[in-house]
Amino acid sequence: QKEVEQNSGPLSVPEGAIASLNCTYSDRGSQSFFWYRQYSGKSPELIMSIYSNGDKEDGRFTAQLNKASQYVSLLIRDSQPSDSATYLCAVKSGATNKLIFGTGTLLAVQP
Amino acid sequence: EAGVAQSPRYKIIEKRQSVAFWCNPISGHATLYWYQQILGQGPKLLIQFQNNGVVDDSQLPKDRFSAERLKGVDSTLKIQPAKLEDSAVYLCASSLGLDTYEKLFFGSGTQLSVL
Repeated sequence: QKEVEQNSGPLSVPEGAIASLNCTYSDRGSQSFFWYRQYSGKSPELIMSIYSNGDKEDGRFTAQLNKASQYVSLLIRDSQPSDSATYLCAVKSGATNKLIFGTGTLLAVQP
Repeated sequence: EAGVAQSPRYKIIEKRQSVAFWCNPISGHATLYWYQQILGQGPKLLIQFQNNGVVDDSQLPKDRFSAERLKGVDSTLKIQPAKLEDSAVYLCASSLGLDTYEKLFFGSGTQLSVL
């Protein structure tokens, strides 16, 4: 089992729709969770962090965390073509404090 | 505020050759990371420095990879000799403190192609 798992996609959504990106992790001791956006040929940039169960909203982005199910998700409302990128889920390991990345989900927002 | 600087941006070498990458972190950032990102995968930590000391190099292939941060500021990562599977983007990142990922900033990366 991979430490952090994501569906590689591509996930294709029409402009204006809600994009839902999912991530599962194996380390039950993990306490910090991050979503990075990576445009093609560019470096990752942090868009959301979440530490407690429930939802955290920031503009059009909502991160959701369920530690019991070891599941974290990112919702993007009113998706725009400029949101087309790879979204990386990253989990801070409870055992090592190191940041473990998933393989990323490619999101394509169709105009 | 200047970001994390990396050079070169691209590098093409043949297998068994050597290559070096340079990184200058954000001013004042004590922690520096080197990540390897193979196409289609997420970044994988190679080595982490706190000031000029190594915190974690457990995933660094030490038979061919080496890294240093002698004065606790900029850093170099070297591969000698390179293998085909080393083709990847090498990302440098920095943060203010140890394991404080809330403020982790990446450089633009060096894309390495080994032929």
